[in-house]
Amino acid sequence: DGGITQSPKYLFRKEGQNVTLSCEQNLNHDAMYWYRQDPGQGLRLIYYSQIVNDFQKGDIAEGYSVSREKKESFPLTVTSAQKNPTAFYLCASFRDRLNEKLFFGSGTQLSVL
Amino acid sequence: QKEVEQNSGPLSVPEGAIASLNCTYSDRGSQSFFWYRQYSGKSPELIMSIYSNGDKEDGRFTAQLNKASQYVSLLIRDSQPSDSATYLCAVPSGGSYIPTFGRGTSLIVHP
Repeated sequence: DGGITQSPKYLFRKEGQNVTLSCEQNLNHDAMYWYRQDPGQGLRLIYYSQIVNDFQKGDIAEGYSVSREKKESFPLTVTSAQKNPTAFYLCASFRDRLNEKLFFGSGTQLSVL
Repeated sequence: QKEVEQNSGPLSVPEGAIASLNCTYSDRGSQSFFWYRQYSGKSPELIMSIYSNGDKEDGRFTAQLNKASQYVSLLIRDSQPSDSATYLCAVPSGGSYIPTFGRGTSLIVHP
């Protein structure tokens, strides 16, 4: 079955540490997205990529970095510059056409130790 | 900045009642509108999409769109406790397909 796999499900970060969240899809979608969700809040866009080797900042990119070396993979690194990283992170993919829905992974809950 | 506004709630309704969830958006060029349901700790799942003015029905769910008023709503008939979740409105801006999400409305259906 096609889908999006995020790992790990739970992740803990120590002060000053960089951590990487994995996102893999086998839907053959060109576009991939990273969203952050805080309690009681909607989804805010961190980064997105519409094609391999290209990505764009979203609304809250500071303190995060991404890469898109393969169509299937779009990892997110939460750097030590992100001072408030505790949140639920969602990866999504999309066929990048009008009227298409987002396909979501199961999410990663990141907490600070 | 494209904006999508929703009341955060919680909206509390008795079992069997109609729940009405509302969403307004700022980009007049938007052409597609989505409602996602999200249970606590889970990822959002699409429940309705609508592209034309008027109503679209799917089972107990009805989406209503009024582009002139920049307003989209979701009605849930015969609400069940299992409908208790956060409902997110998502609207891609007119110039791209990247959706902007509202903050979501928390719905509580009590027996």
